[in-house]
Amino acid sequence: NSKVIQTPRYLVKGQGQKAKMRCIPEKGHPVVFWYQQNKNNEFKFLINFQNQEVLQQIDMTEKRFSAECPSNSPCSLEIQSSEAGDSALYLCASSLPSQNTLYFGAGTRLSVL
Amino acid sequence: QQKVQQSPESLIVPEGGMASLNCTSSDRNVDYFWWYRQHSGKSPKMLMSIFSNGEKEEGRFTVHLNKASLHTSLHIRDSQPSDSALYLCAASIYGSSGNKLIFGIGTLLSVKP
Repeated sequence: NSKVIQTPRYLVKGQGQKAKMRCIPEKGHPVVFWYQQNKNNEFKFLINFQNQEVLQQIDMTEKRFSAECPSNSPCSLEIQSSEAGDSALYLCASSLPSQNTLYFGAGTRLSVL
Repeated sequence: QQKVQQSPESLIVPEGGMASLNCTSSDRNVDYFWWYRQHSGKSPKMLMSIFSNGEKEEGRFTVHLNKASLHTSLHIRDSQPSDSALYLCAASIYGSSGNKLIFGIGTLLSVKP
């Protein structure tokens, strides 16, 4: 069973609505990644953090997507104004620093109607 | 352009047969390759990683790497129906803002009893 906890498992939103999902990384893992996996299995890197700081993010993330990893709280990914093309499985993964093995959560499946 | 290309897109092998999956990076700044397995409806789990030229074997799974051609392959011998899954290749690509793990779109393996 994954030690990376993602909630909710399923999220249904209308176009233009906000969509927020959360992730609790594995204990002791300061590095957190968010990926989007679409229906064609394409994995898109969105953003990653080390502790509370953003390490890298893609341009798309800077516009409608926002993410944070506050101390002592779950990490979150929020889409400000959902679009149909955002429908996908959002995977959170955590790792130790300087180690590339990612441990994935079960994901949040977002459907934008 | 996808930086990590996998082939074939799908593969059917008989139970007990050998499955061979390929992965190539178009970005020379790769220092690690990873193979993840994702069963239907589940999150990806790391299978094997390789960063040195040559071969690495773990049980029924063997990974090869040719760093000059940035090509890695995963071979599963004595394939079992439980091996049926999406196999994702990931490359750790280093850049000015640190390492990023880029995934291919995967090879969907079906092992028929």
